Amino acid sequence: DVKVTQSSRYLVKRTGEKVFLECVQDMDHENMFWYRQDPGLGLRLIYFSYDVKMKEKGDIPEGYSVSREKKERFSLILESASTNQTSMYLCASSLGLAGVQETQYFGPGTRLLVL
Amino acid sequence: GQNIDQPTEMTATEGAIVQINCTYQTSGFNGLFWYQQHAGEAPTFLSYNVLDGLEEKGRFSSFLSRSKGYSYLLLKELQMKDSASYLCAVTNDYKLSFGAGTTVTVRA
Repeated sequence: DVKVTQSSRYLVKRTGEKVFLECVQDMDHENMFWYRQDPGLGLRLIYFSYDVKMKEKGDIPEGYSVSREKKERFSLILESASTNQTSMYLCASSLGLAGVQETQYFGPGTRLLVL
Repeated sequence: GQNIDQPTEMTATEGAIVQINCTYQTSGFNGLFWYQQHAGEAPTFLSYNVLDGLEEKGRFSSFLSRSKGYSYLLLKELQMKDSASYLCAVTNDYKLSFGAGTTVTVRA
């Protein structure tokens, strides 16, 4: 089974802090993704990566950056946390092939509260 | 742009059938996924459609009409454990665009 893990289930941070969210997958997947999930808005793509050291902006990249130094690890960075970044953050990975193999596997999520 | 619509909430009785509709208008299309998400948990894969027609997998079936930009997820013989959110997502170039999700509540 694919396993995607995230470093924290819950985080509380203060406005202006730098926040790191870590994601690790154990299935040698090429693609990794960061989403945020808010009530009524669904999952929105922040950034994704299709290879080590490669990254692409998603739909809502403002206020975020990412790092992928190793294939299995994809980090999301909030440079200066703000209250409107309070959300559930979900990491996902996929094989990088077409069709049903595009299936994304999700981590358990990190619920971030910015005060 | 991407526009994916699905109803916000549905309620049904244990043992019944529920159909969750999803309509989409997207700039590209490589397939449509349905995911299930229980409260506080990660989304998990349910089904994938790329060709028109019905895909059946046990109690769950998914239908796609590409010409109409329409899909539905059919849940049969509902069980209490089916109470969850169901997410419709369109894939294009390995990226998924999600609808806001449909919360299904199963009542005894």
